[in-house]
Amino acid sequence: ETGVTQTPRHLVMGMTNKKSLKCEQHLGHNAMYWYKQSAKKPLELMFVYSLEERVENNSVPSRFSPECPNSSHLFLHLHTLQPEDSALYLCASSPLIGYEQYFGPGTRLTVT
Amino acid sequence: KNQVEQSPQSLIILEGKNCTLQCNYTVSPFSNLRWYKQDTGRGPVSLTIMTFSENTKSNGRYTATLDADTKQSSLHITASQLSDSASYICVVRGSGYALNFGKGTSLLVTP
Repeated sequence: ETGVTQTPRHLVMGMTNKKSLKCEQHLGHNAMYWYKQSAKKPLELMFVYSLEERVENNSVPSRFSPECPNSSHLFLHLHTLQPEDSALYLCASSPLIGYEQYFGPGTRLTVT
Repeated sequence: KNQVEQSPQSLIILEGKNCTLQCNYTVSPFSNLRWYKQDTGRGPVSLTIMTFSENTKSNGRYTATLDADTKQSSLHITASQLSDSASYICVVRGSGYALNFGKGTSLLVTP
């Protein structure tokens, strides 16, 4: 285990649902990241937090809303998603922004 | 535009055989290059990291090479095992903290 956990591991939701993804890191890191991984495409960086401050929002639609209440926890709130949002959502953390990133196992999201 | 291209897209080899995965990049300026292994249903795990001055780095049966002049890297797997079946992702860091990811090479090792 890398010390980064994500829940749930699998999620199926309708387009009108509201759900949240949770990430927790036990490594004492100060930076946390959300990535989207779609089939046959490179990982796409969505959000970056450093010391609980959002430092990057990579042109992500507003139906994705991140929250970082402290340096150990990161959430991704989802609402009115589209089928093309179905993907593996990976959380990562690093000691400081720009350092080696440690990834969680991901949440497999299916939007129906 | 910073790009990372990996080849082949997928590969099937027999257990015990060697294989080499390729990564070409256009990222500039260059900070470092990592190879990650991603098992199905899991997050990526770093195998090696290489900086500009390093040509070769090994991690067990995995050996990565870097030619910063031609902007090419390779990952060589020796005496493959069934557990090597995974996606291998090349990641190049340029300026700042942004990472540039390749699409990955999907490796299947068969008995």
